[in-house]
Amino acid sequence: DQQVKQNSPSLSVQEGRISILNCDYTNSMFDYFLWYKKYPAEGPTFLISISSIKDKNEDGRFTVFLNKSAKHLSLHIVPSQPGDSAVYFCAATERGAQKLVFGQGTRLTINP
Amino acid sequence: ETGVTQSPTHLIKTRGQQVTLRCSSQSGHNTVSWYQQALGQGPQFIFQYYREEENGRGNFPPRFSGLQFPNYSSELNVNALELDDSALYLCASSTKDRGSSYEQYFGPGTRLTVT
Repeated sequence: DQQVKQNSPSLSVQEGRISILNCDYTNSMFDYFLWYKKYPAEGPTFLISISSIKDKNEDGRFTVFLNKSAKHLSLHIVPSQPGDSAVYFCAATERGAQKLVFGQGTRLTINP
Repeated sequence: ETGVTQSPTHLIKTRGQQVTLRCSSQSGHNTVSWYQQALGQGPQFIFQYYREEENGRGNFPPRFSGLQFPNYSSELNVNALELDDSALYLCASSTKDRGSSYEQYFGPGTRLTVT
């Protein structure tokens, strides 16, 4: 039972353009969502998060959008840079819960 | 500020053996969570420790056990290793105090290979 799904295993974007990574969830009890970036041989690095009381959160080049009615969130990176090439994981958690539930990840490649 | 560290980096064990993985949490954090990441998958929650007690467990058998020490460092123990236990084991630290956020900060992981 995959409660968090990232349906695109990979995405290729040209440098300078916008990268959009998508994530869907099924558990309506999730109320906090996070994006992590992972380089090979390193642990996931926290990027940005959003609470269910918001529909947008922005931090520099990164913006996360949450559509609760569609149970969908997306991460926008603009402009995309070569250093953004990594695997991106979407994660979710319930209020007061102990665990993060992760999607399968999307491998983003930024082409020069 | 010291980040999350894990040891060893890599480990090769034989089926049926036991293994202990170690984690030092980020300074100021009192909670440690362990995750298993199989190849091509996202991390899966094993369990969490808060103030030296297990504080939530995922869908893993009892042969997966852990400890948290007074300095908030932690161990993950796996008994009777199976081939399917081959994975990257990630430790994440966080703070479970009033007003704290849900963000967890991960170490680099231990790559376990069971042959």
